[in-house]
Amino acid sequence: GENVEQHPSTLSVQEGDSAVIKCTYSDSASNYFPWYKQELGKRPQLIIDIRSNVGEKKDQRIAVTLNKTAKHFSLHITETQPEDSAVYFCAAVDFPGYSSASKIIFGSGTRLSIRP
Amino acid sequence: GAVVSQHPSRVICKSGTSVKIECRSLDFQATTMFWYRQFPKQSLMLMATSNEGSKATYEQGVEKDKFLINHASLTLSTLTVTSAHPEDSSFYICSASREREYNEQFFGPGTRLTVL
Repeated sequence: GENVEQHPSTLSVQEGDSAVIKCTYSDSASNYFPWYKQELGKRPQLIIDIRSNVGEKKDQRIAVTLNKTAKHFSLHITETQPEDSAVYFCAAVDFPGYSSASKIIFGSGTRLSIRP
Repeated sequence: GAVVSQHPSRVICKSGTSVKIECRSLDFQATTMFWYRQFPKQSLMLMATSNEGSKATYEQGVEKDKFLINHASLTLSTLTVTSAHPEDSSFYICSASREREYNEQFFGPGTRLTVL
C-alpha cells in the first residue's frame, strides 16, 4: 500500500522567513496530494492541494510543488506569521475513479513553530 | 456547506465499558465516511471506511469486533469502542465525502476519549 514520508518532524523559523516541508510517496497511482494544517485538539484543515497533472500551485503565501517522476511534493510557506504555527500533514490519495471514495494516507506530520 | 459534526467532543469512561461516537454530515449526504485515530503527537491513522448500508472496511490491524462501525444513513455513522481499555484512549476523528465528489474529505471536530 501507499506510504508517505514527511520531513522534517519539527521546524522552527523566524517570523517573516520561509518554511519548507517535504514529502515523498511510494505508490505511483497516487494522483491527488492535499496538505492539512492541524492546531492542537482541532480537526485537520485543508490548506492547499495539488493534482498529479500539475507541477505547482500557489495560494497567497502558500505554494505546493509536485515532482511525479521523483514522487516528491513540497509545501512552501513564505513570509511566515505567528498564526502559521501548527502541525502540518501532507497526504497522498489514489482515486480509482468515481466508483468509490479513496483513502487519504497521511504523512507523519511537521510541527512548525514561528519565532517572533 | 460541507459541515461534519461529532458527538461527544470529549468522553471519559471506565475500563471495560463501551463508548459510542457519532459522526454526522449536517448539510450534505455522505456516501462514504472514514474513521481515524490520532495518538498524541502522531499522525492520523485510518481505522476503517464506511459506506452507507454496507459493512465497513477495516484497515489491517484494526479489530472489527472491538471497533464497531455502523453507517445506517447518508448523514450518520457511529463508532462504538467496545470494552474500552486505557490503550484505546485517543483522539477519534471522522470524515465524510460527498456523493459523486471524492476529491475532498470533510473532517469532524474529533472526539477525545479517555479510558480510566
